[in-house]
Amino acid sequence: AQRVTQPEKLLSVFKGAPVELKCNYSYSGSPELFWYVQYSRQRLQLLLRHISRESIKGFTADLNKGETSFHLKKPFAQEEDSAMYYCALQVASNTGKLIFGQGTTLQVKP
Amino acid sequence: ETGVTQSPTHLIKTRGQQVTLRCSSQSGHNTVSWYQQALGQGPQFIFQYYREEENGRGNFPPRFSGLQFPNYSSELNVNALELDDSALYLCASSSGGAGGEKLFFGSGTQLSVL
Repeated sequence: AQRVTQPEKLLSVFKGAPVELKCNYSYSGSPELFWYVQYSRQRLQLLLRHISRESIKGFTADLNKGETSFHLKKPFAQEEDSAMYYCALQVASNTGKLIFGQGTTLQVKP
Repeated sequence: ETGVTQSPTHLIKTRGQQVTLRCSSQSGHNTVSWYQQALGQGPQFIFQYYREEENGRGNFPPRFSGLQFPNYSSELNVNALELDDSALYLCASSSGGAGGEKLFFGSGTQLSVL
């Protein structure tokens, strides 16, 4: 079965602390994985994708096929990082068919 | 460049009724995907339209149907509404039937079924 699991509904950290948002997936094919973010009163938007291997707003995510994970990390959290984060798996190439996890709310306290 | 716009923003319907939600894609985009997001859940893929043809469908019954017009705007129609259809409906546009990395989302239509 194709599935994305984000085990934490809420992650609360202090400003400057490291952040790791967990994402595990289940998929028999070659996965394409993404992190989407939704800031307060804004639209859902792409944060990063594993293929590009880039760092966006200080966030990185490494695909670990052995552990079927794609955790999102940032070494020093900022208050403006507070948002809802969704991990998503693309299951059909060249379509917009994404399977999203349930999302994790990141709360960064001052 | 205009972004993805959805209308209406909120809607209240009664069980058994029919509803039509609308989406205007971002300028230059020819592909529209629709998602349903129930409270506390991630978005669930309903279907995608590319150049006016359905191009992929999720696990939704046939009473969920769609259209895409020559200007690439789109409609989502839901017949025989059920209480569980209450959700936020998101539209996302992209170009060329592209994958997830190029999806641009609208703000959504909040549908309440009573």
